[in-house]
Amino acid sequence: AIQMTQSPSSLSASVGDRVTITCRASRGIRNDLGWYQQKPGKAPKLLIYGISSLQTGVPSRFSGSGSGTDFTLTINSLQPEDFATYYCLQDYNYPWTFGQGTKVEIK
Amino acid sequence: EVQLLESGGGLVQPGGSLRLSCAASGYTFSSYAMSWVRQAPAKGLEWVSAISISGGSTYYADSVKGRFTISRDNSKNTLYLQMDSLRAEDTAVYYCAREGIVASGAEWFDPWGQGTLVTVSS
Repeated sequence: AIQMTQSPSSLSASVGDRVTITCRASRGIRNDLGWYQQKPGKAPKLLIYGISSLQTGVPSRFSGSGSGTDFTLTINSLQPEDFATYYCLQDYNYPWTFGQGTKVEIK
Repeated sequence: EVQLLESGGGLVQPGGSLRLSCAASGYTFSSYAMSWVRQAPAKGLEWVSAISISGGSTYYADSVKGRFTISRDNSKNTLYLQMDSLRAEDTAVYYCAREGIVASGAEWFDPWGQGTLVTVSS
């Protein structure tokens, strides 16, 4: 199975900061990488698919980049509603695998 | 509005069985593959199983292979997960999710249901 290594596991940031979260795949996954946001007690929400395609309705301060095995989620100008846990997911082949998650907390 | 509603969770003893259901509405259920994803208490997300549009192809995580069975009834717009030989480590919130796909092959889960809690304990 493809392993997804996500970092950091947590970070503290202030409103207005730029935040970067990375995911590394154990082998190449083409463009089959997405990002999800989860708030406590809620189901995950799709933010980005295909490395960089923004899901409809997701604010443009969220962006994704990368290729091959290394991928990045960037949140520009962090807003209060962005404090949550973020997961990457590879959908290159089964079993699909998630990163371990990154909890974004208020500094 | 596209909605997914899980049901069937609860408390079950180790070695027992449970069947989860996921009722879909607001879209053509038979046009989308579906998956189950779980989350153990205070842990991350784990993909569990997927099923193709027709139900003819199914996929499982190694952790549940041979114990769980995914199925769907397109006439009832419902997805199922039959869970047998349950273990304490299967305790989790179970989410169903619709799989989308674009021409490039990129796929995603959207939307997700609200989740149903399965607790395996004696």
